[in-house]
Amino acid sequence: EPEVTQTPSHQVTQMGQEVILRCVPISNHLYFYWYRQILGQKVEFLVSFYNNEISEKSEIFDDQFSVERPDGSNFTLKIRSTKLEDSAMYFCASSEALGNSGYTFGSGTRLTVV
Amino acid sequence: QKEVEQNSGPLSVPEGAIASLNCTYSDRGSQSFFWYRQYSGKSPELIMSIYSNGDKEDGRFTAQLNKASQYVSLLIRDSQPSDSATYLCAVGGGGNKLTFGTGTQLKVEL
Repeated sequence: EPEVTQTPSHQVTQMGQEVILRCVPISNHLYFYWYRQILGQKVEFLVSFYNNEISEKSEIFDDQFSVERPDGSNFTLKIRSTKLEDSAMYFCASSEALGNSGYTFGSGTRLTVV
Repeated sequence: QKEVEQNSGPLSVPEGAIASLNCTYSDRGSQSFFWYRQYSGKSPELIMSIYSNGDKEDGRFTAQLNKASQYVSLLIRDSQPSDSATYLCAVGGGGNKLTFGTGTQLKVEL
């Protein structure tokens, strides 16, 4: 069964450093997403991406965050200057169609900012 | 602010029983409704989607939607210990963003 692949599975970084989280969506999917889940809290929407541009973003997704699809397969989330409160599980997801047909989530990257 | 509310639990049911999980949402314009299962430390896994009022069955799972009451539920028949997980209700509007509830922890006891 096709899956969304995320790397690394766990990343530890020092406060103020830049991190890049990587995702390979399912190959025929057109819509890509990043969500995060702080430990013990709900899954929160960060950003959606379609046709090489952001289609929607949340208040969390401020100027410190950016997304990119640098080639035909990868989808990345960059955090420019990490803060302690950025520590969370970051999930990439993809879907075939618009209209909330249901996502396939990747296995996640646990980001720990120290 | 669009809200999705779930009882955090834990909901404990004996093996073989029916587990009933509930969710309410605030946005009347919501169009799509999902149940995800999340094991501890893992990513959400889609188990059911429902888009119109009524019941939708898939194996041991039945999703129920009542848009007038802004209420979604998930029934799990013949509950198994492997069903022990957190069940996330997620609601979508006209776009492609999902709003998640905090999840209900289900424990199926032997």
